Amino acid sequence: NAGVTQTPKFQVLKTGQSMTLQCAQDMNHNSMYWYRQDPGMGLRLIYYSASEGTTDKGEVPNGYNVSRLNKREFSLRLESAAPSQTSVYFCASRKLGDPSGNTIYFGEGSWLTVV
Amino acid sequence: QKEVEQNSGPLSVPEGAIASLNCTYSDRGSQSFFWYRQYSGKSPELIMFIYSNGDKEDGRFTAQLNKASQYVSLLIRDSQPSDSATYLCAVSTSGTYKYIFGTGTRLKVLA
Repeated sequence: NAGVTQTPKFQVLKTGQSMTLQCAQDMNHNSMYWYRQDPGMGLRLIYYSASEGTTDKGEVPNGYNVSRLNKREFSLRLESAAPSQTSVYFCASRKLGDPSGNTIYFGEGSWLTVV
Repeated sequence: QKEVEQNSGPLSVPEGAIASLNCTYSDRGSQSFFWYRQYSGKSPELIMFIYSNGDKEDGRFTAQLNKASQYVSLLIRDSQPSDSATYLCAVSTSGTYKYIFGTGTRLKVLA
């Protein structure tokens, strides 16, 4: 059981380039999330998708777009990368009515550097 | 004021001691509270969740919740060097699908 899978794991971009972080979960979860984690800032929510077909902004959505392609996949796109977007990105998912009590499960992270 | 606040630490405790980690939150509508552990370079993993006021125990871990004071804590008994990590407090409000994390407390257990 792979859980939540993110690709790529590492990426270096030049300022102004675009890229898409891919995320897929095989746990039949309804909700999916994208967070970024920076030193001293904790995990900050970028976007989330409560269910297939819906997406909503989180705390720090500027400079990002998302697509909930289907129930399994939730991608994060940087249209014009900036050095301030250098961060570790985590995708996560959650199943409604999860017996663990609304627990979210994280992917392994994607390390992105913008130079 | 941040929605979820934690002392960044590091909190240093000797092996075998009790480590006490604290978290406060600002939204009185918050209903679910979580503690995650994160080792350096790894993703967060769930330790415990708690909904109701009082204590909840799981092995060496005890989560404590006081909604009136908007305070949640995690106690780690018989701390081990392998417990050295960053501990993240997370808060969720029913119906919003949002999870808000604190910045985490770094724990160092000294052998």
